[in-house]
Amino acid sequence: GDSVTQMEGPVTLSEEAFLTINCTYTATGYPSLFWYVQYPGEGLQLLLKATKADDKGSNKGFEATYRKETTSFHLEKGSVQVSDSAVYFCALSEGNTDKLIFGTGTRLQVFP
Amino acid sequence: DAGVTQSPTHLIKTRGQHVTLRCSPISGHKSVSWYQQVLGQGPQFIFQYYEKEERGRGNFPDRFSARQFPNYSSELNVNALLLGDSALYLCASSQGWGNQPQHFGDGTRLSIL
Repeated sequence: GDSVTQMEGPVTLSEEAFLTINCTYTATGYPSLFWYVQYPGEGLQLLLKATKADDKGSNKGFEATYRKETTSFHLEKGSVQVSDSAVYFCALSEGNTDKLIFGTGTRLQVFP
Repeated sequence: DAGVTQSPTHLIKTRGQHVTLRCSPISGHKSVSWYQQVLGQGPQFIFQYYEKEERGRGNFPDRFSARQFPNYSSELNVNALLLGDSALYLCASSQGWGNQPQHFGDGTRLSIL
């Protein structure tokens, strides 16, 4: 079945460092890809999405490009802030459904 | 506008009991989905309802059931609770059905003793 694999955390960075969180997927069709963020004690917030190959999703300085050839959707940010500390989830939804399949999440800790 | 609201925020039950969790979608949204998030893991899909009909079901036992009301709010019911049902239960709403952005509530934290 479809699945999402994320790099294990925690990822620990100093403020203003460059961030990469790796995400790869397995899907039989042509999924849409998402990054969600979860702050402590809260639900999930959609960070960005891409619906077809070579699309780049971006929001709040975060970017991810849908790479069909490598089945990847890596999250990047050029300069992280302490307020970016959270758990980041990569997810896919396949075809014409709304069912989201999530990775296990990657905790990001940013220190001043 | 109010986001997705879930109640209660926290709940403590004992094994064998049953529980009902509630969700109100964003105004104008007709689809509600339920997810279970066990500590340290990603959310797992339980159900989706659209226009009061079940549109999808995840790999959960029959102890889990749900319904959607005419005002598009939803209830998730879990019977014969097990220790392993301890989790954060998340509700998400979307305008329609089929490749729609999902908006999540803050969840209900269920603890089973």
